[in-house]
Amino acid sequence: TQLLEQSPQFLSIQEGENLTVYCNSSSVFSSLQWYRQEPGEGPVLLVTVVTGGEVKKLKRLTFQFGDARKDSSLHITAAQPGDTGLYLCAGVNAGGTSYGKLTFGQGTILTVHP
Amino acid sequence: DSGVTQTPKHLITATGQRVTLRCSPRSGDLSVYWYQQSLDQGLQFLIQYYNGEERAKGNILERFSAQQFPDLHSELNLSSLELGDSALYFCASSVDIAGGREAFFGQGTRLTVV
Repeated sequence: TQLLEQSPQFLSIQEGENLTVYCNSSSVFSSLQWYRQEPGEGPVLLVTVVTGGEVKKLKRLTFQFGDARKDSSLHITAAQPGDTGLYLCAGVNAGGTSYGKLTFGQGTILTVHP
Repeated sequence: DSGVTQTPKHLITATGQRVTLRCSPRSGDLSVYWYQQSLDQGLQFLIQYYNGEERAKGNILERFSAQQFPDLHSELNLSSLELGDSALYFCASSVDIAGGREAFFGQGTRLTVV
C-alpha cells in the first residue's frame, strides 16, 4: 500500500511568516500534485511536479519534488490570510494495476492570522 | 466552477439504507474517480473508471459499488449504510491523470447517516 505522510497536520502562523509543508513516502510516484481545498469545496490543483529535483514557483509558493520522486515540499513566503486552507499533496501512479490512481496525504490545515 | 457536477449536495439517511450518488464529469474527460473524505481518514481513493471500464480500485467496501455509463456519468452506490459511512464523497474527472494532467473535483456530496 502506498502512503503519503504529510506534515505538519496543523499550522497556525501570523501574516508575513514563512512556512514549509512536507510530503514524504517510501514509494516512487510518476508525478506529485499539490491541491488546496476550501470549506465546502473540492480540492483545486495548485501544481504538478514531474521530474526528480524539479522546482516550481507560483507567486509566493515554491514546490519541490525530491530527487528520488518520493517526497515533496511546499514553501510559502510571507503568508497572507488568503492562504488559509487545507493543503493536500497527492502522488500519481502511472503503471501497473494502480494506473491513474491519486494517493493523497492527510493534509495540512493552514491558518494565517492577520 | 470545475465543470464536474455532483448530486445531491447533501443527503441524510438512516442506517441500513441504500443511496446513490451521481457524478457528471467535465466534457471530454474519460476518467472518473471517487473519493471519501472524513476527518480522521482524510481523502481516501475508492475507485476509478476510464471510459466505462474499472481501472483502479482502492479501499472500497464490498457494500459500495460504482459504475460508469456510456455517456460517461458515474454513480456510486452505498448500501447497508452504517454511521461510519458519514463523510464527504467527492467525484473527480481527468483527461489523463497518469500523464500529470489535472484532476477536477466536484463540490462533493455530504452524506450523513443517522
